[in-house]
Amino acid sequence: DTGVSQNPRHKITKRGQNVTFRCDPISEHNRLYWYRQTLGQGPEFLTYFQNEAQLEKSRLLSDRFSAERPKGSFSTLEIQRTEQGDSAMYLCASSPRRANEQFFGPGTRLTVL
Amino acid sequence: EDKVVQSPLSLVVHEGDTVTLNCSYEVTNFRSLLWYKQEKKAPTFLFMLTSSGIEKKSGRLSSILDKKELFSILNITATQTGDSAVYLCAARSQGNLIFGKGTKLSVKP
Repeated sequence: DTGVSQNPRHKITKRGQNVTFRCDPISEHNRLYWYRQTLGQGPEFLTYFQNEAQLEKSRLLSDRFSAERPKGSFSTLEIQRTEQGDSAMYLCASSPRRANEQFFGPGTRLTVL
Repeated sequence: EDKVVQSPLSLVVHEGDTVTLNCSYEVTNFRSLLWYKQEKKAPTFLFMLTSSGIEKKSGRLSSILDKKELFSILNITATQTGDSAVYLCAARSQGNLIFGKGTKLSVKP
């Protein structure tokens, strides 16, 4: 499968724990995006990378959130000291150029107890 | 503040009906308008529109953009139960996409 992949698909954690998600974009896509989606809402932009450079971060991305793309390929999104309000679907997308459509992965569903 | 508004939020139709989904946007540095279909998983791409008045078609689906009035519509003709999904509209500004809440379409047999 050459689409965007995300791991894990589901994560249940207790409040206060740290979690890390991984996204592998479509090969040779140099742009990678993270979004968060809660029930009944459209995806909300969190951050995006062009190659290894993080070019934009949303106000939604608090200090507890950090994203990396160290070699310009896969990316990780870490949430420290999770809160119940962090429960959501975390979606990753990639595109070959800014002007192109973004292709989404299956998402990681986070539940914070 | 940038925003995308979709209407209606939900819609129930019968197979064979034609539906029109609406999307209006207010986005600085607007680049393009995208439509996605979401069925309990990740959004799948339908259309990207960058120019006004040029209709894009794919089978029974079609979409058009009006950059003067800042809106787009998605038409689905001869609906089928497999069209049941949430349809998301997104405006691209610089790099990221700004999504609406979506229109939940239910097609009854």
